[in-house]
Amino acid sequence: AQSVSQHNHHVILSEAASLELGCNYSYGGTVNLFWYVQYPGQHLQLLLKYFSGDPLVKGIKGFEAEFIKSKFSFNLRKPSVQWSDTAEYFCAVKDYRDDKIIFGKGTRLHILP
Amino acid sequence: NAGVMQNPRHLVRRRGQEARLRCSPMKGHSHVYWYRQLPEEGLKFMVYLQKENIIDESGMPKERFSAEFPKEGPSILRIQQVVRGDSAAYFCASSPRLGQGDSGTEAFFGQGTRLTVV
Repeated sequence: AQSVSQHNHHVILSEAASLELGCNYSYGGTVNLFWYVQYPGQHLQLLLKYFSGDPLVKGIKGFEAEFIKSKFSFNLRKPSVQWSDTAEYFCAVKDYRDDKIIFGKGTRLHILP
Repeated sequence: NAGVMQNPRHLVRRRGQEARLRCSPMKGHSHVYWYRQLPEEGLKFMVYLQKENIIDESGMPKERFSAEFPKEGPSILRIQQVVRGDSAAYFCASSPRLGQGDSGTEAFFGQGTRLTVV
C-alpha cells in the first residue's frame, strides 16, 4: 500500500528564513503529488500539485516543490518565509493503482515574527 | 460556486449515541472522500465514494462506521454507538474525478466536522 512520510513534524523558523519540508512516498509507479496547507482553524487548501511535465512545480504564495522520481520525493520549498506561513502542511500522493489520496502526517510550521 | 459544505461544524454526542456527519460536494463533483484527523496523526483515509457506489472503504473501521452517497442529497458518514476514541475532526473532500495524467485534478476540502464524544 502507498505510504507517505514527512520527515519533520514540527519546524520553527524566523521570518525571512528559507524553508524546505521533506516528503517521500513508497510506491514507485506513476503518481500524482500534492501539497496542502491548513491554516489554524481552517480547512485544507491546495498549495500546488504535480501531474506530469516539468518536475519543478510553482504554487501559490511563493511555494514550489520538486518531484525527483529516483528519490520518490516531492519536497516543498520557499526561499523566504513570512509569519503568515504559520500553518500545518500536508504532502499527499495518489497513485494510478487506485483513486485514493494518501496523506502524510503533516508538518506543523511555526514562524517567529 | 459554493465549496464543499460540511455540517454540522461541531457535534457533541454522548457515548452510545449515533453521529451523522453530512457532506455536500462542490457542484458537478461526483466523487467524495472522507478522512479522519487526529492530533499528530495527519489525515487518515476512511472511504471513497461516488454516487450510489462505495469505491474503496479500506480505511473504515469494520464496525459501527458506514458511509453513503445517494443519488440525491449529501454524502453521510454515520457512526453508531460512539465511543470516546471516535472524537476527532472528520473532513470530506470532493472531486469531479481524480483522473490520470493531465486530466487529473485535486480534491477540494470542506471545513470539517469536529466530533466530541462525552
